[in-house]
Amino acid sequence: SAVISQKPSRDICQRGTSLTIQCQVDSQVTMMFWYRQQPGQSLTLIATANQGSEATYESGFVIDKFPISRPNLTFSTLTVSNMSPEDSSIYLCSVSAGTDNQPQHFGDGTRLSIL
Amino acid sequence: AQKITQTQPGMFVQEKEAVTLDCTYDTSDQSYGLFWYKQPSSGEMIFLIYQGSYDEQNATEGRYSLNFQKARKSANLVISASQLGDSAMYFCAMRENLIGNQFYFGTGTSLTVIP
Repeated sequence: SAVISQKPSRDICQRGTSLTIQCQVDSQVTMMFWYRQQPGQSLTLIATANQGSEATYESGFVIDKFPISRPNLTFSTLTVSNMSPEDSSIYLCSVSAGTDNQPQHFGDGTRLSIL
Repeated sequence: AQKITQTQPGMFVQEKEAVTLDCTYDTSDQSYGLFWYKQPSSGEMIFLIYQGSYDEQNATEGRYSLNFQKARKSANLVISASQLGDSAMYFCAMRENLIGNQFYFGTGTSLTVIP
């Protein structure tokens, strides 16, 4: 299975600032996903990032708030912009092999706290 | 309607005993996959086991087995011989293969193993 490195693992940020989270995969993958997990909650898909095209955002998430880059088949970034305390969450990237029986594999997550 | 339902917010099990975590799903697709993930307090998502909708045998992976009852649309996770390290959140997930790679996650079950 793919090995996914996610940085930073955690951060504490000031209100109004932005943070970029990086996700590096050790193999080429077509689809990468970004999730948010608010405290005590399940995972919510933010967007799907495909190389060479704009990310596809889920309802409730917009590009201005969560810009995503996908410059190649092994790397993606998610920026959380103009942060507020409500953005305090774990952010996870994941990849999928795209075949029916393959799970999504996740990075270790970024635990973000906004003061 | 929820795609994945986990009705047990919290479960306790004695060490070395078996425990069943419930999961029901909702789909009209004939082809789909069911997955279980473990999330320790450190936050990473660990893939445990997969069951395909056409698989006739229940999936097993070491101490994990999946009790798949297709007619009831249930995919319960059974953990045998519980260990203290099994204490974590457990998420059931589904992928509808004809739609794409989006995973739907349940709300999770918090499992505590008691020594």
